[in-house]
Amino acid sequence: DQQVKQNSPSLSVQEGRISILNCDYTNSMFDYFLWYKKYPAEGPTFLISISSIKDKNEDGRFTVFLNKSAKHLSLHIVPSQPGDSAVYFCAASVMEYGNKLVFGAGTILRVKS
Amino acid sequence: KAGVTQTPRYLIKTRGQQVTLSCSPISGHRSVSWYQQTPGQGLQFLFEYFSETQRNKGNFPGRFSGRQFSNSRSEMNVSTLELGDSALYLCASSLAGHDGYTFGSGTRLTVV
Repeated sequence: DQQVKQNSPSLSVQEGRISILNCDYTNSMFDYFLWYKKYPAEGPTFLISISSIKDKNEDGRFTVFLNKSAKHLSLHIVPSQPGDSAVYFCAASVMEYGNKLVFGAGTILRVKS
Repeated sequence: KAGVTQTPRYLIKTRGQQVTLSCSPISGHRSVSWYQQTPGQGLQFLFEYFSETQRNKGNFPGRFSGRQFSNSRSEMNVSTLELGDSALYLCASSLAGHDGYTFGSGTRLTVV
């Protein structure tokens, strides 16, 4: 039962353009969402998060949008840089249940220069 | 500051053996969580320890167990290893909340 889904296994984008990574969830109890980036042979690195009381959160080149009615969130990276090439994981949690994150399968982003 | 340290980085074990993995959290972090990453299943939550108590548990068989010591260091144990246990095991620590969730580089376990 995949509660968090990233339906695009990979995405290829030209340097300088926008990268949009998508994530869907099924559990309506999720109230906190995060994006992580992972390079090979390293652990995931936190990028940005959003609480269910918001619909947008920005941090530099990264913006996360949350559409609760559609149970959908997306990560926008503008402008994309070659160093952004990595695997991106969407994760969700129920805050009152503590630090238990449910991860999507990941999307491989390739930024071409 | 030092990050989350996991040892060993790589491990090869035989089916039926047991294994213990270690995680040293960031200084001051009291919550330690463990995740299993496999190509087919992605990252899956194993368990979380906070102040030496298991606070959350994922859907893994009882062969997977863990503990946390008074200095917040944590160990994870897998008994009677199966081929399907081959994975990257990741530890994450936090002071409070998910934003401070920092992952280690993981232990790559191969069961042959």
